[in-house]
Amino acid sequence: AQRVTQPEKLLSVFKGAPVELKCNYSYSGSPELFWYVQYSRQRLQLLLRHISRESIKGFTADLNKGETSFHLKKPFAQEEDSAMYYCALMAGGYQKVTFGTGTKLQVIP
Amino acid sequence: DTGVSQDPRHKITKRGQNVTFRCDPISEHNRLYWYRQTLGQGPEFLTYFQNEAQLEKSRLLSDRFSAERPKGSFSTLEIQRTEQGDSAMYLCASSSGRGTAEQYFGPGTRLTVT
Repeated sequence: AQRVTQPEKLLSVFKGAPVELKCNYSYSGSPELFWYVQYSRQRLQLLLRHISRESIKGFTADLNKGETSFHLKKPFAQEEDSAMYYCALMAGGYQKVTFGTGTKLQVIP
Repeated sequence: DTGVSQDPRHKITKRGQNVTFRCDPISEHNRLYWYRQTLGQGPEFLTYFQNEAQLEKSRLLSDRFSAERPKGSFSTLEIQRTEQGDSAMYLCASSSGRGTAEQYFGPGTRLTVT
């Protein structure tokens, strides 16, 4: 069975401070990991995926298979980063996605 | 707007009634997914279609739930004999058939069962 854990329901940081949203997963095979974001009154959208190894809006995430983690990081938080962030895992042949419970990021001006 | 659309956006129904939701995916996408999201939780996978074939169903999808995608385009999700525990946001997503394609989400249908 696959599982995604996001231990923090709410993370508050000051503008300009570094951000780290934690995500741990359990899956016996080799999953694909994603971060989705939902801004206020908008629909859920993909932020980044581990296979792309890219930085989106200044965010990066590294897959650590040893620690089964996929933490989301940004060196300097901006007010527009305030949103709900979901870590997600895709495994299996049909692309079923398992989401974590989400972390609300609040950037304080 | 060429994104995923869902109708209705809100539905209030009485316990025991049947409800049906519709999802229109992005036109060239052959994969379609339904998720359910309750307060404080992330979306939970319900079912998946590739074209008109329903290829996977979650155990969350009890026999009161049925989903169809008859022509491989839009999909419907029906809940029979609704219960208060069915109150949730029902999300639809679609993706292209190429590799691990990004899933594009609709705005959701919020169901309230009174």
